[in-house]
Amino acid sequence: EPEVTQTPSHQVTQMGQEVILRCVPISNHLYFYWYRQILGQKVEFLVSFYNNEISEKSEIFDDQFSVERPDGSNFTLKIRSTKLEDSAMYFCASREAPPEAFFGQGTRLTVV
Amino acid sequence: GENVEQHPSTLSVQEGDSAVIKCTYSDSASNYFPWYKQELGKGPQLIIDIRSNVGEKKDQRIAVTLNKTAKHFSLHITETQPEDSAVYFCAASMADSWGKLQFGAGTQVVVTP
Repeated sequence: EPEVTQTPSHQVTQMGQEVILRCVPISNHLYFYWYRQILGQKVEFLVSFYNNEISEKSEIFDDQFSVERPDGSNFTLKIRSTKLEDSAMYFCASREAPPEAFFGQGTRLTVV
Repeated sequence: GENVEQHPSTLSVQEGDSAVIKCTYSDSASNYFPWYKQELGKGPQLIIDIRSNVGEKKDQRIAVTLNKTAKHFSLHITETQPEDSAVYFCAASMADSWGKLQFGAGTQVVVTP
């Protein structure tokens, strides 16, 4: 069964460092998303990406964040200068034209 | 913007009993309501969804009901089994941005044998 895969499963980084979280969406999907879940809080929408550009972003997704689809398979989330409050579980999701979105297993980001 | 509230936060049921989780949403423009199951160490897995043009949908032991007037929707799990133990999330989104899901806070379901 096709699935969304994310790497790494756990990333520890020092405050101020850049991190790149990677995702391989399901191959025929057209829409791509990043969500995050801070421990004990709701899953929050960060950004949606379609046709090689951002289609929507939340207030959380400030200038420190960027997304990219560098090739036909990967979808990345970059945080330029990490802060302690960026520590969270980050989920990538993808979908075709219908609304059903499929999530990856997540990357746990710990900023120290 | 949309706000989704979910209750209860924890639910303990005996194996074989039914479990019901309820969610309310605030934006009447929302028209897509998926439910996700998250097991420990895994990402959210879509288990069932409903669109606003229907009031109920069923898939084996799980069902979802939607009341558009009251702006609430519920997940029903019948004949619960230990493998149903997980965190369940409801979510809502709109047709022009289906993938922009607003999630509820989650319900930890524990099914005891």
